[in-house]
Amino acid sequence: DAGVTQSPTHLIKTRGQHVTLRCSPISGHKSVSWYQQVLGQGPQFIFQYYEKEERGRGNFPDRFSARQFPNYSSELNVNALLLGDSALYLCASSLVVRQETQYFGPGTRLLVL
Amino acid sequence: KQEVTQIPAALSVPEGENLVLNCSFTDSAIYNLQWFRQDPGKGLTSLLLIQSSQREQTSGRLNASLDKSSGRSTLYIAASQPGDSATYLCAVYTSGTYKYIFGTGTRLKVLA
Repeated sequence: DAGVTQSPTHLIKTRGQHVTLRCSPISGHKSVSWYQQVLGQGPQFIFQYYEKEERGRGNFPDRFSARQFPNYSSELNVNALLLGDSALYLCASSLVVRQETQYFGPGTRLLVL
Repeated sequence: KQEVTQIPAALSVPEGENLVLNCSFTDSAIYNLQWFRQDPGKGLTSLLLIQSSQREQTSGRLNASLDKSSGRSTLYIAASQPGDSATYLCAVYTSGTYKYIFGTGTRLKVLA
């Protein structure tokens, strides 16, 4: 079975632009979470979505938003990009919300110039 | 608030050594704990998942233990190889939450 997939794998943007990252969960999983990992740090939780509703949000500004589609795939959107948004963005899926095991995708590496 | 700490931050050892990586967490009410490996510029590879009811998990040369009451986990790597060089991350899923809390990792270098 395919694992969590993310696209694109790499992305370069300039300050002030907008970016959309995509994630497809493992088949049968209904919950998707997003994490940000800046260089030298562990991943930080951004959002969790379940059944198209936001179920959890980390300490990130309103420039960050996400949504989940009927097929349980998800998009993470970041507006007005800052240099500090440069990071690896990881998507994780789980069967249901608050299900204890999350499976991580390969990530999208975003570079903001 | 759950906090996860990993010691040491970096480690350099000669090939063949057995080594131990440490992870500590402040809230013992956890669902599970995962150890991940991360190669430079890459995503996360899950190594071992320990459920809260378990004391240890083993996979090949890797063994992870969990002591919830003391808030500690160790990852034991036997007979280290240069291919083990990577950053190792510990992540804890706390009961009643919806997310993993990660440590900052231990950067391991195994010298040939």
